[in-house]
Amino acid sequence: SQQGEEDPQALSIQEGENATMNCSYKTSINNLQWYRQNSGRGLVHLILIRSNEREKHSGRLRVTLDTSKKSSSLLITASRAADTASYFCAQGGSEKLVFGKGMKLTVNP
Amino acid sequence: GAVVSQHPSWVICKSGTSVKIECRSLDFQATTMFWYRQFPKQSLMLMATSNEGSKATYEQGVEKDKFLINHASLTLSTLTVTSAHPEDSSFYICSASFSNQPQHFGDGTRLSIL
Repeated sequence: SQQGEEDPQALSIQEGENATMNCSYKTSINNLQWYRQNSGRGLVHLILIRSNEREKHSGRLRVTLDTSKKSSSLLITASRAADTASYFCAQGGSEKLVFGKGMKLTVNP
Repeated sequence: GAVVSQHPSWVICKSGTSVKIECRSLDFQATTMFWYRQFPKQSLMLMATSNEGSKATYEQGVEKDKFLINHASLTLSTLTVTSAHPEDSSFYICSASFSNQPQHFGDGTRLSIL
């Protein structure tokens, strides 16, 4: 079953603005991952944050993890039109992944 | 980086035919491969997990006789949709992993059954 839930389901912003996507989960985790999917394509791994980490950065991406609230957020700063895609959080790693519902981000030029 | 190739990217076929989808890890040996199904505007649903040389483990509700998975080598897994019908139309995505690294995904196969 899908345990991760992204909020909101769709987000439309202007280029240059920041985009924040949230994910909640129900069971304890070892790590949480974020993936990106361009329309009609496979998934690209963005970032993995471990349960003992609270924040992680990768370029314009910033991921936070609050295990007490069982939630994570993905922040994309200074968004670009090329960031338009669907974003998914997922529990698990090299073993079985359980994906959230995903959130479609549209960045308007 | 690790590359996973999935073929074909798009297939259209008549109802009742069988369709085979290949998933290859190009530059690494994948100890485990995964097959997902994705309906429009929805998330990925894991169908099965396959380890090289052993039988695939199917998720609840996935018919193993309908979706045949073969993982004959460390670089190739195949998914065969047998006697496909329109309700099998979907986007199928494979992924591969090795050691304890994150899964690497193929670009997916869009299957349309007429």
